[in-house]
Amino acid sequence: QLQLQGSGPGLVKPSETLSLTCSVSGGSISSGSGYWGWIRQPPGKGLEWIATIHYTGRTFYSPSLRSRATISVDMSKSHFSLELSSATAADTAVYYCTRQDGTDSVNWFGPWGQGAPVIVSS
Amino acid sequence: QSVLTQPPSASGTPGQRVTISCSGSSSNLGSTYAFWYQQLPGTAPRLLIYTNNQRPSGVPDRFSGSKSGTSASLAISGLRSEDEADYYCAAWDVSLKTWLFGGGTQLTVL
Repeated sequence: QLQLQGSGPGLVKPSETLSLTCSVSGGSISSGSGYWGWIRQPPGKGLEWIATIHYTGRTFYSPSLRSRATISVDMSKSHFSLELSSATAADTAVYYCTRQDGTDSVNWFGPWGQGAPVIVSS
Repeated sequence: QSVLTQPPSASGTPGQRVTISCSGSSSNLGSTYAFWYQQLPGTAPRLLIYTNNQRPSGVPDRFSGSKSGTSASLAISGLRSEDEADYYCAAWDVSLKTWLFGGGTQLTVL
């Protein structure tokens, strides 16, 4: 059974870069639609999509975070990662990694990782 | 303020049928599919409905989805205490080129 394990620094100082990794086990990084995504949830608030990557390297970003976000995939290590530069308190959230199921043209967020909490504070 | 609009709360008694709405626009729900996610307290969201009305394996048939025009709905019949959770709709916006989530609806089972 596919498992997604997100991990991150826990605490990041303002203006620093927030880095997260999602390890994929129980399935290939080319499985599902081949797309993998990051979604975050600030405390007590709703869900916000950040970025998606195809295992071939094609990337998609939220317009509001495009300038600060970088998503990447490492097939040899079966993981994908997210970096968010110039962190501020507004980036404090639980960050979820997901596999997007479906097809190349129609896909959705299927299995989710357990979430990696990140606090941005000095 | 979310582009997909959901009521912030809903409630029902055990056994009842409740419906949660999700209102969008021509560039999202009017052009693409609706998806629904359930988030139990303290856990990650899980997929409940995909492509408007399909249930992943393991989701009870008490949950059903529909879409008409620029709105979508999630219906839960035979309400149970374990259905108490936050429910989110989602859709791709073809103009903004972004995934959108509704603000979420907190369901209380009285």
